[in-house]
Amino acid sequence: GAGVSQSPSNKVTEKGKDVELRCDPISGHTALYWYRQSLGQGLEFLIYFQGNSAPDKSGLPSDRFSAERTGGSVSTLTIQRTQQEDSAVYLCASSLMVAGGHGQYFGPGTRLTVT
Amino acid sequence: DAKTTQPNSMESNEEEPVHLPCNHSTISGTDYIHWYRQLPSQGPEYVIHGLTSNVNNRMASLAIAEDRKSSTLILHRATLRDAAVYYCILRDHSNTGKLIFGQGTTLQVKP
Repeated sequence: GAGVSQSPSNKVTEKGKDVELRCDPISGHTALYWYRQSLGQGLEFLIYFQGNSAPDKSGLPSDRFSAERTGGSVSTLTIQRTQQEDSAVYLCASSLMVAGGHGQYFGPGTRLTVT
Repeated sequence: DAKTTQPNSMESNEEEPVHLPCNHSTISGTDYIHWYRQLPSQGPEYVIHGLTSNVNNRMASLAIAEDRKSSTLILHRATLRDAAVYYCILRDHSNTGKLIFGQGTTLQVKP
């Protein structure tokens, strides 16, 4: 079946502009996660959605970052007034359930470059 | 989440088995042991997970110590494509399930 898809695959934007990154999770997966990986750095959790529950936003680095998940499926990560330190690969993952006994399946990522 | 400890790097020869160790001495009873890997320029890929018993799938085997304070990911015949960073992560059964990635083990496979 289809895996997690993300778009765009690459995005170059000017400092100060807003960007939207999209994630289509695996059909039927109730949990959705956003992570980011800066150049040469480890993977960093950003935000998590589970069904209709309130999202866990504990990993968002600033209030310029927000995300939503519509209809329990597609998610959009929005970064307002982008800064150069926002340059990174943004990864989306989905999981059948949030419980520890289920793996997370990652998309290919969106490479964001802020100039 | 409980912490895991892995060697920074390991080397293997192609077509030989590889044993990647992970220590998690503070593991709790509800923590699942997960392994992911990240190939160069790609997103992480789920490999395997387990709770108490050893697990096998088409990609690898997971051997879990009886006291659960350590585990070993086993690649039965390494290929060049298995060169990647391997992450051992504990996921609590009751929390949000977010993954806390450490530095992982960089596996180099020599032809």
